[in-house]
Amino acid sequence: KAGVTQTPRYLIKTRGQQVTLSCSPISGHRSVSWYQQTPGQGLQFLFEYFSETQRNKGNFPGRFSGRQFSNSRSEMNVSTLELGDSALYLCASSGLNKDSYNEQFFGPGTRLTVL
Amino acid sequence: AQSVTQLGSHVSVSEGALVLLRCNYSSSVPPYLFWYVQYPNQGLQLLLKYTSAATLVKGINGFEAEFKKSETSFHLTKPSAHMSDAAEYFCAVSPGNFGNEKLTFGTGTRLTIIP
Repeated sequence: KAGVTQTPRYLIKTRGQQVTLSCSPISGHRSVSWYQQTPGQGLQFLFEYFSETQRNKGNFPGRFSGRQFSNSRSEMNVSTLELGDSALYLCASSGLNKDSYNEQFFGPGTRLTVL
Repeated sequence: AQSVTQLGSHVSVSEGALVLLRCNYSSSVPPYLFWYVQYPNQGLQLLLKYTSAATLVKGINGFEAEFKKSETSFHLTKPSAHMSDAAEYFCAVSPGNFGNEKLTFGTGTRLTIIP
């Protein structure tokens, strides 16, 4: 099975712009979670989608949003970019079956740099 | 709220020596606990997980961890370090209830292997 894929891998934007990141989960996985990783704050949970519905949300401002499509692919959007949004954004998918419950498989991440 | 604390942001061991990375958790309910490894410019890879089945958990690459409720610990060990083990390691906790896939991560421990 192919792993979790994220596009693009690297992105450079300027303050005030908006950005959309994409995540394709492992085939058959219906849960997709997003995390932000920075040197200062570490790994922080952004949100989780299941069957096109946001099921859990972390403590991030409304500039961070996401969605999930019927094929389980997910996108996250950050509007009005700030310098502090520079980070590695990681996507993880989960199959939610009895044997792999809560086992999340991570993609390689998208490195966002805001100038 | 659940949390994990990783003691030691940097650990150095000689090749062939024992690896011990410490993780303590805080949870009011039986947690699911995980260890992930991250190599430079890559996403997170699951090393092992504790889901209340057995207290001694064996993972990939020769790593294992023991869940000790009395000490609220889930330390990661490997009997003999290899150069390829150099990476950053994250301990994580999850509520373990269906519908809540959020992982809460520790701050990470960077492992350096001395030749």
